[in-house]
Amino acid sequence: EAGVVQSPRYKIIEKKQPVAFWCNPISGHNTLYWYRQNLGQGPELLIRYENEEAVDDSQLPKDRFSAERLKGVDSTLKIQPAELGDSAVYLCASSLEGQGSGETQYFGPGTRLLVL
Amino acid sequence: GENVEQHPSTLSVQEGDSAVIKCTYSDSASNYFPWYKQELGKGPQLIIDIRSNVGEKKDQRIAVTLNKTAKHFSLHITETQPEDSAVYFCAAILEGGYQKVTFGIGTKLQVIP
Repeated sequence: EAGVVQSPRYKIIEKKQPVAFWCNPISGHNTLYWYRQNLGQGPELLIRYENEEAVDDSQLPKDRFSAERLKGVDSTLKIQPAELGDSAVYLCASSLEGQGSGETQYFGPGTRLLVL
Repeated sequence: GENVEQHPSTLSVQEGDSAVIKCTYSDSASNYFPWYKQELGKGPQLIIDIRSNVGEKKDQRIAVTLNKTAKHFSLHITETQPEDSAVYFCAAILEGGYQKVTFGIGTKLQVIP
């Protein structure tokens, strides 16, 4: 079974440029998460999708960050414009969940973003 | 919201010795506690988890204990091997409805051959 796929693996951009990350979750997983991981820190949740619905985006900086999961499968996270402080690893995770139960989150390899 | 504290931040042990990493959480409603191992350049991988209706769980050389009253849980690795060297993260999750997930800061474990 294929794991969570993310692309690109690395991205270097200049500040004020836009950037997008793509995630394809494990087949059949209805829940998808985007996390940001700063150097030496644990992952911090940015947004969580149940199918195509964003059910928790309270930590997403909405002035510059946006995300979509139009068909409830793969997802894109965008930053526009990027700032120096956005340099981090962006992790995608997926899980198979139902209301009232929780399941293991499986993480992708992440996209390492460097903003110059 | 939930706050998870993890310590130590770094841990060096000799190969064959045991390693213990501890986490405390603040929200007594949290009921699911996974541990993840993250190797350099990779995403976190689940190694063991425990739910609040269980006090201890073991899987070969790794075990996790949970004290709900004190709101802390620990990861125990016995007979450590060089390949155990990685960063380990604990997390506290509120299951039911929509999950709330909070990760610890991570512990960098170095196993010295």
